[in-house]
Amino acid sequence: TQLLEQSPQFLSIQEGENLTVYCNSSSVFSSLQWYRQEPGEGPVLLVTVVTGGEVKKLKRLTFQFGDARKDSSLHITAAQPGDTGLYLCAGVKTSYDKVIFGPGTSLSVIP
Amino acid sequence: GAVVSQHPSWVICKSGTSVKIECRSLDFQATTMFWYRQFPKQSLMLMATSNEGSKATYEQGVEKDKFLINHASLTLSTLTVTSAHPEDSSFYICSATGTSGVYSYEQYFGPGTRLTVT
Repeated sequence: TQLLEQSPQFLSIQEGENLTVYCNSSSVFSSLQWYRQEPGEGPVLLVTVVTGGEVKKLKRLTFQFGDARKDSSLHITAAQPGDTGLYLCAGVKTSYDKVIFGPGTSLSVIP
Repeated sequence: GAVVSQHPSWVICKSGTSVKIECRSLDFQATTMFWYRQFPKQSLMLMATSNEGSKATYEQGVEKDKFLINHASLTLSTLTVTSAHPEDSSFYICSATGTSGVYSYEQYFGPGTRLTVT
């Protein structure tokens, strides 16, 4: 059973388009993190959200944590080829639990 | 800050031999290190968690005698794949948590090691 679900699983879009990736769970998390991984490299932490309803922005990326702390979204504005990669959400239920990773969303931005 | 390195970045070995992969935290003390395995276009599969100076905790289905983990210091953990077989070919990634980062559970990942067993 996947505790964290991500959708879509694969996404291919044209440069300049906007997109949203979703991370959902039936469980409450104390925090969620988003990572981006490029082929052949390790994941890189983008953001951590901890407060229900929280919104964080990182240039063209906007991250939101759901009010109930069961879901999160990542919105990319005007996607660029450099945004191509595997986007992973990861959650922690309590500070003592291990991090749970979602299955990932593979994004391809075509020039 | 929070840089994690892995060595080697890629390795090819013959079936039946052992391979050691090193994971180092370069600018912080890693109280906990994690080893993951990843197949193409899939998420990370946690293999084991190691704390400095204690035995690693392996996830269900991971053979501890095949994947030996040593967390000898606060900056170094090693994964040794013993008697490697072609099905062990994969991308192995380590991560670390510790004194860096705002939250203790934020993991910083190494660049990964591509293992190919022929």
